[in-house]
Amino acid sequence: QITLKESGPMLVKPTQTLTLTCSFSGFSLTTTGVGVGWIRQPPGKALEWVALIYWDDDERYSQSLRPRLTITKDTSKSQVVLRMTNMDPADTGTYYCARRLRDAGIWYPFDYWGQGILVTVSS
Amino acid sequence: DIQMTQSPSSLSASVGDRVTITCRASQSISNYLNWYQQKSGEAPKVLIHGTSTLLSGVPSRFSGSGSGTDFTLTINSLQPEDFATYYCQQSYSRSPTFGQGTRVDIK
Repeated sequence: QITLKESGPMLVKPTQTLTLTCSFSGFSLTTTGVGVGWIRQPPGKALEWVALIYWDDDERYSQSLRPRLTITKDTSKSQVVLRMTNMDPADTGTYYCARRLRDAGIWYPFDYWGQGILVTVSS
Repeated sequence: DIQMTQSPSSLSASVGDRVTITCRASQSISNYLNWYQQKSGEAPKVLIHGTSTLLSGVPSRFSGSGSGTDFTLTINSLQPEDFATYYCQQSYSRSPTFGQGTRVDIK
């Protein structure tokens, strides 16, 4: 059974750094073709892909957020950590982690998602 | 990043209607286009991958078509459980991007 779960602070102050952890089970980030990413969604607004890390240590970031982001993985703990610096009220939203696979040269969609964590940025 | 543009941003329809949502990519993505459905308070669920392949359990009233830069999601005979927001997403590259969503409301 594959599960993902997000954890971290639900309230951060402007200018602070947000650190979110995705803990997953049922698969490994050492397996060829596996990626775990973050997608966020401001209240009432669209999904926005944020960052992804792959089995081969490749890190990918949204161009608009790249200067503020770092994504890392701890394969022994089955965790992926997202750091986002200089938080702003506009960063308020639900942050999801999700799995992505590559198989036979084809990139697949995000097939398993966490429940999401609502992060509010406010003083 | 590849930009994905969906239209319309919202629509109102009745049960039994046929609904069409379009998605355009800023560059050719071959057939690497996925569609998700999201209901209020829930995580998105993938409906279609590779432009037209329905995931297991997805009703056959959903269909997808297109290639290159232009894609379409069609829902034939809209059902009450289909009222939701739909997103396209390209999986052409290691950096996936989403469209801005289409909300399907009850007329």
